[in-house]
Amino acid sequence: NAGVTQTPKFRVLKTGQSMTLLCAQDMNHEYMYWYRQDPGMGLRLIHYSVGEGTTAKGEVPDGYNVSRLKKQNFLLGLESAAPSQTSVYFCASSYLAVNTEAFFGQGTRLTVV
Amino acid sequence: GQQVMQIPQYQHVQEGEDFTTYCNSSTTLSNIQWYKQRPGGHPVFLIQLVKSGEVKKQKRLTFQFGEAKKNSSLHITATQTTDVGTYFCALSNFGNEKLTFGTGTRLTIIP
Repeated sequence: NAGVTQTPKFRVLKTGQSMTLLCAQDMNHEYMYWYRQDPGMGLRLIHYSVGEGTTAKGEVPDGYNVSRLKKQNFLLGLESAAPSQTSVYFCASSYLAVNTEAFFGQGTRLTVV
Repeated sequence: GQQVMQIPQYQHVQEGEDFTTYCNSSTTLSNIQWYKQRPGGHPVFLIQLVKSGEVKKQKRLTFQFGEAKKNSSLHITATQTTDVGTYFCALSNFGNEKLTFGTGTRLTIIP
């Protein structure tokens, strides 16, 4: 069972560059989430999706875009990376939002220089 | 928006001592979940609480949901080095599709 897979695991970007983080889940989950984790800040929700073709903003959506063209994939894009986006990014999925556990990917450590 | 406060932010304990982390919400919750993240790892689901006043146990871990469903606690009895990590509460409500995490409590154990 692969569960939730994130690619890449590490990346260094220069300020202004763009990149896409890929999240794939093989559990047929409806809900998918992107979080960022910074020291002392916990996990902050960037964007989420409640099903194929849908996306919604979380707590800290500025500077990010997402797409959910296929149910199993949730893409997070940075159009013009900034040093403030240096963080560890986690993708998660769950069958529902309420009363079901969320499964997390291994994380992507992104550094913007 | 929904606010989640988790205290303390850090806790250092001697091995064998007890540990407690608290999660407080500004609104009444449908349920609360607890996750553990080992250093360098990703969050892993521990448990979910749904009913007012609910208490659940997993070996040395005891989870409680407040009577008003606005707060919760995780208590570890006689900590071991394997308990090291950050413990998060997570909230979701019916009608709100977001899964919101607390800021976490980082537990370190002094052998």
